[in-house]
Amino acid sequence: KNEVEQSPQNLTAQEGEFITINCSYSVGISALHWLQQHPGGGIVSLFMLSSGKKKHGRLIATINIQEKHSSLHITASHPRDSAVYICAVTTMDSNYQLIWGAGTKLIIKP
Amino acid sequence: GAGVSQTPSNKVTEKGKYVELRCDPISGHTALYWYRQSLGQGPEFLIYFQGTGAADDSGLPNDRFFAVRPEGSVSTLKIQRTERGDSAVYLCASSSRQENTGELFFGEGSRLTVL
Repeated sequence: KNEVEQSPQNLTAQEGEFITINCSYSVGISALHWLQQHPGGGIVSLFMLSSGKKKHGRLIATINIQEKHSSLHITASHPRDSAVYICAVTTMDSNYQLIWGAGTKLIIKP
Repeated sequence: GAGVSQTPSNKVTEKGKYVELRCDPISGHTALYWYRQSLGQGPEFLIYFQGTGAADDSGLPNDRFFAVRPEGSVSTLKIQRTERGDSAVYLCASSSRQENTGELFFGEGSRLTVL
């Protein structure tokens, strides 16, 4: 069992839909990251969370430390949101190593 | 520059050749990471620098791979006697935090193709 699991693996939705991507982890963490990668592109950090909720534009990230679960939400989705979204955690054992989820490939159709 | 800069963006080389990939992190960032990403896979950790020293090089696959960061800023990843299996996108990231990973800023990557 992977230490960081994401669901769904693939998600296709229509423009305007509300999107939720989930991340569950089985280790003690000091921080959780949500990252975005466009096809053939570099990786962009969206959020770094250790508790609660963060919002940036149409993106919202939440984390529940007790349940070891985080969600990334996209409101009013747009085709330009199409990308791979990756959840990664920094564990309490390592102050720099990231454990990566497998990513969620999101396609937003116009 | 404003972000992490990696050069070259694309490199095509022949098997057996020597390759250098450069990473210019955000000014003032003490932590620097190299990752390798093969097609359809997640990033694979290679090496982590804190300042000038390699704090963890356990991800380097073998002794053909070496990385330096002599002045605590720019880093160079060096690959000797390249093999076709080295073909991948090499990603560099930097962070300002010394303990616990702060927010990571990634470069666009250097795509290496070994023919």
